Amino acid sequence: AQSVTQLDSHVSVSEGTPVLLRCNYSSSYSPSLFWYVQHPNKGLQLLLKYTSAATLVKGINGFEAEFKKSETSFHLTKPSAHMSDAAEYFCVVSDERRSQGNLIFGKGTKLSVKP
Amino acid sequence: KAGVTQTPRYLIKTRGQQVTLSCSPISGHRSVSWYQQTPGQGLQFLFEYFSETQRNKGNFPGRFSGRQFSNSRSEMNVSTLELGDSALYLCASSLAGQSFTDTQYFGPGTRLTVL
Repeated sequence: AQSVTQLDSHVSVSEGTPVLLRCNYSSSYSPSLFWYVQHPNKGLQLLLKYTSAATLVKGINGFEAEFKKSETSFHLTKPSAHMSDAAEYFCVVSDERRSQGNLIFGKGTKLSVKP
Repeated sequence: KAGVTQTPRYLIKTRGQQVTLSCSPISGHRSVSWYQQTPGQGLQFLFEYFSETQRNKGNFPGRFSGRQFSNSRSEMNVSTLELGDSALYLCASSLAGQSFTDTQYFGPGTRLTVL
């Protein structure tokens, strides 16, 4: 069965410093993995997607994530945080058995950016 | 191309009433999924429609129902509202939904408050 664990419920960084949001997944098959971002009172926006091509995936707004099969991880990084990055981030794995719909969401990580 | 639109954006209802939410997918997208987002439970899958047929359903009571029209627009209905139904309801669309690698694009959500 698939599952997603976001290791931190809240991460706080200073503007201009690196961002690391951690995600581990469990899947019986080769998964598709996604990171979505949600700003307050807004819907979810796709940041990036991994589907068994290059293991280093580049997304929008300078974010990237690396798929590491041996570690079952898909951590999200950004070299330099911006105030506008403050939001909630969701790591998501696709559900190949569709037992829970198409997507299985992590609990989310709230990113705070201090000036 | 216009994104996923949801109407209304905000709703206030009282216990026992019923409510209908609407979702218009991205043009050309045939799969529509609905999710409920609450602070306690996170994002939970409600159901998915493809070509006017419910293809998948999450673990919600029968008070939650939906349908899809021939133009792929979808509605979800909640009858006999309970306080616990207060949530952000998100709609997502994808091209065909045949592959679990399909990217889902989310609307801004409908914020339902039950008093």
